[in-house]
Amino acid sequence: DAMVIQNPRYQVTQFGKPVTLSCSQTLNHNVMYWYQQKSSQAPKLLFHYYDKDFNNEADTPDNFQSRRPNTSFCFLDIRSPGLGDAAMYLCATSRDLGDTYEQYFGPGTRLTVT
Amino acid sequence: AQSVAQPEDQVNVAEGNPLTVKCTYSVSGNPYLFWYVQYPNRGLQFLLKYITGDNLVKGSYGFEAEFNKSQTSFHLKKPSALVSDSALYFCAVRAPWGNTPLVFGKGTRLSVIA
Repeated sequence: DAMVIQNPRYQVTQFGKPVTLSCSQTLNHNVMYWYQQKSSQAPKLLFHYYDKDFNNEADTPDNFQSRRPNTSFCFLDIRSPGLGDAAMYLCATSRDLGDTYEQYFGPGTRLTVT
Repeated sequence: AQSVAQPEDQVNVAEGNPLTVKCTYSVSGNPYLFWYVQYPNRGLQFLLKYITGDNLVKGSYGFEAEFNKSQTSFHLKKPSALVSDSALYFCAVRAPWGNTPLVFGKGTRLSVIA
């Protein structure tokens, strides 16, 4: 089945130690998104890629970076994680940027910062 | 800027009874509206969307939603609730122009009691 895959499902990192979260998709979608979701809150969009074009949300901290080396993979890099960055990180895809397209989400990576 | 309100943090309903999860929105122009469901420790799953046309939209798992432009609402409904419907439900809106992000409500936790 076509899907969005996130690895690892659970990640523990130390305060200030860089961490990378991974997302891959078999849907061949043009757009990939990264969201941060804190406990029982709405997902908050961090940034998205349309093909190779990177779009950062205005309030996304510089501590968060992303890479998309090819259509299938997208990475979220947190350069110096703080305790406040502990959250569920959701990757999503959509076929295109048109407003009518729904997004398909991966299962998420739960990040713990110690 | 667009916004979504889900006025209820929690909805409790008995199995077999009809359920309603409320959503109101604010956006300039005709909105694109979505419902997603999130099961524990999982990503969001797309349920249904309203783009244009018939105000009553049918989606996955027997859910439907009614778009009401005069009341700026898009309530999620199901005629007969199942225990397995217990989850966190998110309403989302996108403005009908440009590269605008999908804006999520804060979510409503649905508990279906046997």
